[in-house]
Amino acid sequence: GEDVEQSLFLSVREGDSSVINCTYTDSSSTYLYWYKQEPGAGLQLLTYIFSNMDMKQDQRLTVLLNKKDKHLSLRIADTQTGDSAIYFCAESIPTGANNLFFGTGTRLTVIP
Amino acid sequence: GAVVSQHPSRVICKSGTSVKIECRSLDFQATTMFWYRQFPKQSLMLMATSNEGSKATYEQGVEKDKFLINHASLTLSTLTVTSAHPEDSSFYICSARSYSGWRGYTFGSGTRLTVV
Repeated sequence: GEDVEQSLFLSVREGDSSVINCTYTDSSSTYLYWYKQEPGAGLQLLTYIFSNMDMKQDQRLTVLLNKKDKHLSLRIADTQTGDSAIYFCAESIPTGANNLFFGTGTRLTVIP
Repeated sequence: GAVVSQHPSRVICKSGTSVKIECRSLDFQATTMFWYRQFPKQSLMLMATSNEGSKATYEQGVEKDKFLINHASLTLSTLTVTSAHPEDSSFYICSARSYSGWRGYTFGSGTRLTVV
């Protein structure tokens, strides 16, 4: 099956930038996504990138995609305490029902 | 934007009873809905994929007779946990995908099931 890996934990100070990394194994992915999950809640789509793009910026969020290395990153500028959550990367591949394959999740803790 | 409503958000039931969880797409038609289970501090595990009007496709290791999925319309899918046991206690999340693939997948807010 598809493997999507993330580091489990990240701590940053309020106001600093956070960079969450993700690696995947299937090069046929069409879209890659970043989701945010707060405690006891569902997943909130933060942003997505099409596989033929290298970079996408949306306000404080910057997504970088290195397709050659199968590496995806999410940079959060000026990290706030409200950004503390678990962040999942996910990819969709064009087979079957186009299900999403999720990473293991990175727990981001923002220190005031 | 696309909204998926999932109910209930929290349910406590006795062992041996059945619990139904609903997932509705509010402003779009969902051709495909997915049901996930999430254990504490873990990622999401896909349980099954349901397409409107057809039988659900279950992932390996998921008992289809225990986790009944019905996707009777383009806006509603239900997951029924039958004869629930304490080991079924978990966080269940649904996701819906519209005709337009670029919209991605919209998730419900999840249901915390506790079986006592």
